[in-house]
Amino acid sequence: KNQVEQSPQSLIILEGKNCTLQCNYTVSPFSNLRWYKQDTGRGPVSLTIMTFSENTKSNGRYTATLDADTKQSSLHITASQLSDSASYICVVSARGNYQLIWGAGTKLIIKP
Amino acid sequence: KAGVTQTPRYLIKTRGQQVTLSCSPISGHRSVSWYQQTPGQGLQFLFEYFSETQRNKGNFPGRFSGRQFSNSRSEMNVSTLELGDSALYLCASSAGAGQRAFFGQGTRLTVV
Repeated sequence: KNQVEQSPQSLIILEGKNCTLQCNYTVSPFSNLRWYKQDTGRGPVSLTIMTFSENTKSNGRYTATLDADTKQSSLHITASQLSDSASYICVVSARGNYQLIWGAGTKLIIKP
Repeated sequence: KAGVTQTPRYLIKTRGQQVTLSCSPISGHRSVSWYQQTPGQGLQFLFEYFSETQRNKGNFPGRFSGRQFSNSRSEMNVSTLELGDSALYLCASSAGAGQRAFFGQGTRLTVV
C-alpha cells in the first residue's frame, strides 16, 4: 500500500535554531517527492520538488534531501524564523497515474 | 497571473443538506484536484479532473461528486451532509500530470 509517514508529528524550537523534518514513503513506482508549507487555514505552498535522480534541493533556508534507495527524505530549515511556524507536508507522486500520496504533516512552532 | 480561486471561503450548513463548492484554476491549467483536510489529518485526496474527465478518484463515498467545465473551472458537490464532513476543502490546479500543483485558499465547511 502506498503510504507516506512523517516525523515528528509536532516540533517546537527557538527562533534562530535549525531543525530537520523526516519523511518515509513506500510509494512505488516513484515519480517525485514534494515538500509543502501550509500556514494555518490556508492552502499548501510548494517548497521543493525532487525526482529520482536528485539528492538535494534548496530553496532559501529550506534544504530537502532524498534517498531513493531507502525511500527517505528530509527537510532541513536553517536559522528558523517566526514565520516558519506552519505545517510541513511531504507528498509523493506515483509514476503512471501521478496520484499524490500525502503525509499527515509535521506541525512546526517557532518560539521567540 | 491570478492564482487558484475557491468560493465561498466559508460555509455553514446543516446535516442532510447538500453543498456545492467552486474552484477556478490558474489560466491555462487543465488539471484540477480536490482534497479534504480535517484537524489532525493529512490531506485526503477526493478526485482529479483533467479536460472535463475524472482521471483519479480517492476513497470517499458517492455523496462526494465533482465535475469540470470546458473552461477548466471545477465544482465539488457533497450531498446529505454529515457532521464529519466539516473540513477545509482545498482545490489545486496544475498544467498536467506530474506538474507542480498550486493550491487555492480553501473553503472552510462547517456542518451543524
